[in-house]
Amino acid sequence: EAGVAQSPRYKIIEKRQSVAFWCNPISGHATLYWYQQILGQGPKLLIQFQNNGVVDDSQLPKDRFSAERLKGVDSTLKIQPAKLEDSAVYLCASSFESREQYFGPGTRLTVT
Amino acid sequence: GEDVEQSLFLSVREGDSSVINCTYTDSSSTYLYWYKQEPGAGLQLLTYIFSNMDMKQDQRLTVLLNKKDKHLSLRIADTQTGDSAIYFCAESGTGKLIFGQGTTLQVKP
Repeated sequence: EAGVAQSPRYKIIEKRQSVAFWCNPISGHATLYWYQQILGQGPKLLIQFQNNGVVDDSQLPKDRFSAERLKGVDSTLKIQPAKLEDSAVYLCASSFESREQYFGPGTRLTVT
Repeated sequence: GEDVEQSLFLSVREGDSSVINCTYTDSSSTYLYWYKQEPGAGLQLLTYIFSNMDMKQDQRLTVLLNKKDKHLSLRIADTQTGDSAIYFCAESGTGKLIFGQGTTLQVKP
């Protein structure tokens, strides 16, 4: 069974630029999550989708971050404009039943 | 609010047992998890325990849960160099995972 796929794996941008990350969950997983992991910390949930609807986006900085999950499969997370403090690893996870979340390899973002 | 605390670093000799500890605050947590993260990789689900259980064993891994003290531990028997990684404890009371800051396990040959 293929795991959660993410791209790109690495991205370097300047502050005030925009960036987008892509995630393809495990086939059949209805729930998709985006987490932000700052160096030295545990992941923090940004947004949770159930199919193509948002379940929880309470921690998403909506003035600059947006996410969508069209057709209930793939998802994109966008940052516009980026700030230095957005440098982190962005992890996508998916689950069939909410008790087991499976993570992708992450996208490491560096904002200079 | 919800909070999960872990010690930051543990060093053991190859072949010894490792015990990684975690405390949490949310008494309504339904499941408690242990994830492993190797350098440059995502998180790998190791095991999880339902909150009405005291113990769960899975090969070299043993999870102990003290619900009264809100204390969770992960014991790795016969620790190998390949076990060197960051281990994250997480709780789930409302569906989303709340992670600790991670414990770096160093295994010396």
